[in-house]
Amino acid sequence: GAVVSQHPSRVICKSGTSVKIECRSLDFQATTMFWYRQFPKQSLMLMATSNEGSKATYEQGVEKDKFLINHASLTLSTLTVTSAHPEDSSFYICSARDPSTEAFFGQGTRLTVV
Amino acid sequence: AQSVTQLDSQVPVFEEAPVELRCNYSSSVSVYLFWYVQYPNQGLQLLLKYLSGSTLVKGINGFEAEFNKSQTSFHLRKPSVHISDTAEYFCAVSKAGGTSYGKLTFGQGTILTVHP
Repeated sequence: GAVVSQHPSRVICKSGTSVKIECRSLDFQATTMFWYRQFPKQSLMLMATSNEGSKATYEQGVEKDKFLINHASLTLSTLTVTSAHPEDSSFYICSARDPSTEAFFGQGTRLTVV
Repeated sequence: AQSVTQLDSQVPVFEEAPVELRCNYSSSVSVYLFWYVQYPNQGLQLLLKYLSGSTLVKGINGFEAEFNKSQTSFHLRKPSVHISDTAEYFCAVSKAGGTSYGKLTFGQGTILTVHP
């Protein structure tokens, strides 16, 4: 199946700094990518839908100024957690969609803010 | 909006026994249904999906699920589990139709633990 690569897999950052997470579709072009967040022992919650060349669509309750999403090419979307705080510690997972197939998930990024 | 309820948070089972993981959904529009498996600290792997057609869907690793529209259910089954099936399983739903494809609402997850 198609491959979605997410980087980094783990990151530890200091409170107040920003962290960028990359999501790449390696063997297909993804016009749409999705970003999810998973708290410990909880389900995945959709944060935003990222469309290539346009602004992301955020779900209710997600701060767009805190979670900056950029989808500058058909194979790359980035999520930047700005001014991170300990409560932003979570598992972030992206998925990429080709209109003719299902959405494929990346491996996830474990963010720990200390 | 869609919602998904996984009725069991944990399911313990012995190796080679059958298992059923239950999933109910709610939606005012037609939906697509999915089951994913997640191993610790990893992303999600698609087990199977229902888009249309036959209500019995067969997936990878010997899993199957049956779409029951009248009961709004999509239960996952496997006739004989292995130790390697120990993982967390998520049921998910999206609105039917191309533009919503991939925009998923997940259930709370069911942790399947297979004992020797």
